[in-house]
Amino acid sequence: DSGVTQTPKHLITATGQRVTLRCSPRSGDLSVYWYQQSLDQGLQFLIQYYNGEERAKGNILERFSAQQFPDLHSELNLSSLELGDSALYFCASSVPSGGKQFFGPGTRLTVL
Amino acid sequence: AQTVTQSQPEMSVQEAETVTLSCTYDTSENNYYLFWYKQPPSRQMILVIRQEAYKQQNATENRFSVNFQKAAKSFSLKISDSQLGDTAMYFCAFMKQSQGQNFVFGPGTRLSVLP
Repeated sequence: DSGVTQTPKHLITATGQRVTLRCSPRSGDLSVYWYQQSLDQGLQFLIQYYNGEERAKGNILERFSAQQFPDLHSELNLSSLELGDSALYFCASSVPSGGKQFFGPGTRLTVL
Repeated sequence: AQTVTQSQPEMSVQEAETVTLSCTYDTSENNYYLFWYKQPPSRQMILVIRQEAYKQQNATENRFSVNFQKAAKSFSLKISDSQLGDTAMYFCAFMKQSQGQNFVFGPGTRLSVLP
């Protein structure tokens, strides 16, 4: 158990809908990262937040957005969903330095 | 932009034997970290080992060790005394040591440990 929690574990929805994925980082970690892993693919970095502020942006679509709240939990919002958005979405957290990222169990999103 | 390459899509090894997974990367950065993550069938991402680029000494964690060649931009993972539980996808990852610490992952190597 990495200490990073993600909810829900599974999500099934229809095209055109909007969903919110939630992540709680490890106690004391200020950074939260979001990644997308499509079937049998590597991980694609989406976005990073540090202590409530956006720190880095990767291959995140305009239909996707994220935020980090004062209690440091983060939410990833996915809207106007398409079949191709079906994937495993990981959240990770890390301490300010040292580089180690600890991953949550992921949320499996299925868009029908 | 940084890129990470893993040239072996799939590998297999007999239980108790040793296997080496390859990783190369491309960067103009001088300060960075390199990682190996393991993703078993449960899909959980598990940190295996980390290497800081400024350290010449290769990192080791029990049966896992790396061969870090900074000039060649190579970072291979050696698994000794392979166990059935080592069966997983292995991802090599790069992270620059600066603001915006996002990972760049390689495509992965699927390792099967055979009984």
